[in-house]
Amino acid sequence: GENVEQHPSTLSVQEGDSAVIKCTYSDSASNYFPWYKQELGKRPQLIIDIRSNVGEKKDQRIAVTLNKTAKHFSLHITETQPEDSAVYFCAARIREYGNKLVFGAGTILRVKS
Amino acid sequence: GAVVSQHPSWVICKSGTSVKIECRSLDFQATTMFWYRQFPKQSLMLMATSNEGSKATYEQGVEKDKFLINHASLTLSTLTVTSAHPEDSSFYICSAEGDSDTGELFFGEGSRLTVL
Repeated sequence: GENVEQHPSTLSVQEGDSAVIKCTYSDSASNYFPWYKQELGKRPQLIIDIRSNVGEKKDQRIAVTLNKTAKHFSLHITETQPEDSAVYFCAARIREYGNKLVFGAGTILRVKS
Repeated sequence: GAVVSQHPSWVICKSGTSVKIECRSLDFQATTMFWYRQFPKQSLMLMATSNEGSKATYEQGVEKDKFLINHASLTLSTLTVTSAHPEDSSFYICSAEGDSDTGELFFGEGSRLTVL
C-alpha cells in the first residue's frame, strides 16, 4: 500500500534554533499536504498546509516547502520555543488511496531551554 | 474552524465487553468521518471511513465485525468496539472533513480505551 516517509523520528534543538522535518510521498497526483502538531494525549492540530499549486507557504515562525518534482515537502520552524515541543506529523492526500489522508510516522521534537 | 467533539475521552472496560465511542460535528455537517487508532509513540492509522447513510469502508486488516461503525446522521458517527480485548487498548480518534474541496480534517479529542 501507499505510505508517507517522515524523517527524522526524533529531533532535539536548542531554544532559538531552527528545526526542519522532511517527508516524501510517491503519488505524483497528490495535491494536499498538511502538517499536524500533537501534544501528549491530545488531538492533532493543523499548523500549516500546502497545496500542489504552490511551492512555499509561511505563517509567522512556521513554513512549509513543497518540491513536486522530487515529491518531498518539509516543515521549517524558526526561533524554536519550549512550547514547540510535541510530535509533528506530515500527511498527504494520496489519490490512489481513495483521496484519504495518509500520515507519516511522526517526529518527536524537543526544544531544550 | 470546525469543531468535532468525541465522547468519552477515556474508558476502562473488562475484557469481553463492548464500548461505544461517539464522534459529533458540532457546527457543520459531515457526510464523511474517519476513525483512526493510535498506539503509544506511533502514528495515526486509518481504520475506516464512515459514510452517512451507507456502510463504512474498512481498511485492510481491520475487522468490521469487531469495530462496528454507524453514521446515522450528518453530525454523528459511532464506533463500537465489540468483545474488547487488552490488545484493543489504544487511543481512538475521529475526524471529519469540514470542506471536501480543501481536504482539511478536524479531529475529535480522542478516546483512550483501556481493556482490563
